[in-house]
Amino acid sequence: AQTVTQSQPEMSVQEAETVTLSCTYDTSESNYYLFWYKQPPSRQMILVIRQEAYKQQNATENRFSVNFQKAAKSFSLKISDSQLGDTAMYFCAFSAHFGNEKLTFGTGTRLTIIP
Amino acid sequence: EPEVTQTPSHQVTQMGQEVILRCVPISNHLYFYWYRQILGQKVEFLVSFYNNEISEKSEIFDDQFSVERPDGSNFTLKIRSTKLEDSAMYFCAITSGGNTGELFFGEGSRLTVL
Repeated sequence: AQTVTQSQPEMSVQEAETVTLSCTYDTSESNYYLFWYKQPPSRQMILVIRQEAYKQQNATENRFSVNFQKAAKSFSLKISDSQLGDTAMYFCAFSAHFGNEKLTFGTGTRLTIIP
Repeated sequence: EPEVTQTPSHQVTQMGQEVILRCVPISNHLYFYWYRQILGQKVEFLVSFYNNEISEKSEIFDDQFSVERPDGSNFTLKIRSTKLEDSAMYFCAITSGGNTGELFFGEGSRLTVL
């Protein structure tokens, strides 16, 4: 069984600063997919970024990037130039199967951007 | 981008009562999922539903739970006899169909069992 661990329950950072959210996982699979989801106070979860484990290059999406360390089973999310709208719960998630999106989620990190 | 509407947004029920949560995708989809988030805990997979059949379910999805797509559009989660521990946010999700691994979630239905 896969497990996903987010060790930072809460974080806060000043607007425009950079913040890194940590995520580690455990799996015996060799190929899998990792995701960061954002859940703003409106409750709907939105995909922020995804990473395929077979790709060595770290995924980036505008101000969001990941540091994927496959050997260490680490998948951190970096948010650059943080904005007030980034305030949300962030969930790291794992999927062993593309096309059957049974995701295993971490417990989440509540991120607050301070004006 | 696919959209998912869930109803009700909040339901309060007495223990032992039946509850039906509904999910309506804006466009036609074949893959549906239900996830649950107990307050303060992680989001947990309940069940996946493909082509009108359950394709996978978790150990949480016991006999008191059922899913169906009664009219070809709505996707429902039924809890036959609710327990206090069923109190949670229930999220419906769909895939985009583009094999991207992305799930599109609804805003959730908060269930409170008294």
